Amino acid sequence: EAQVTQNPRYLITVTGKKLTVTCSQNMNHEYMSWYRQDPGLGLRQIYYSMNVEVTDKGDVPEGYKVSRKEKRNFPLILESPSPNQTSLYFCASSWNFGHTEAFFGQGTRLTVV
Amino acid sequence: GENVEQHPSTLSVQEGDSAVIKCTYSDSASNYFPWYKQELGKGPQLIIDIRSNVGEKKDQRIAVTLNKTAKHFSLHITETQPEDSAVYFCAASRSQAGTALIFGKGTTLSVSS
Repeated sequence: EAQVTQNPRYLITVTGKKLTVTCSQNMNHEYMSWYRQDPGLGLRQIYYSMNVEVTDKGDVPEGYKVSRKEKRNFPLILESPSPNQTSLYFCASSWNFGHTEAFFGQGTRLTVV
Repeated sequence: GENVEQHPSTLSVQEGDSAVIKCTYSDSASNYFPWYKQELGKGPQLIIDIRSNVGEKKDQRIAVTLNKTAKHFSLHITETQPEDSAVYFCAASRSQAGTALIFGKGTTLSVSS
């Protein structure tokens, strides 16, 4: 089954404790992206990747890092999480975000206390 | 960069009525306009998309119209059903490498029976 898998689905952590949210897709897609969803603000792009070892900032990259060492995986790293990063996070993949359907993961609800 | 405005933010209709959600975009070079539906606890899922060389597209009870001159596009849902209740996002993008999908802030549609 074609899918984008994120883990964990829920996470509560403390300020400053490094964490990683994993994302994996099985569709051999070139493009992958991370979004955060906040009430009243919709989906905002954090980082995206056009291919292995190619990443670029989206609209709200501050406080986040990503890596794309393999085509299927695109982890999101919070080196020092802060409460304003409490949000619902989605990973997505596509053949080309500007052309074709984007497939989203189930989401990761992160709470930073 | 691209900016997408979406209205209304909430919409309540009776079962069987029609629902219309409108979006405007700022980048005249955008030429791909998808609509996503997000059900509670899930990631967004593509329901219909339209490209700039087409003025209207239909798929059963849903349709999308595009006015490139005015830079706006709309989602029309006819004969609404309770299972249409969800958050709907419009998005816009250029069809070129490296461009991102820019989303509107979303519309929460409630269909009451």
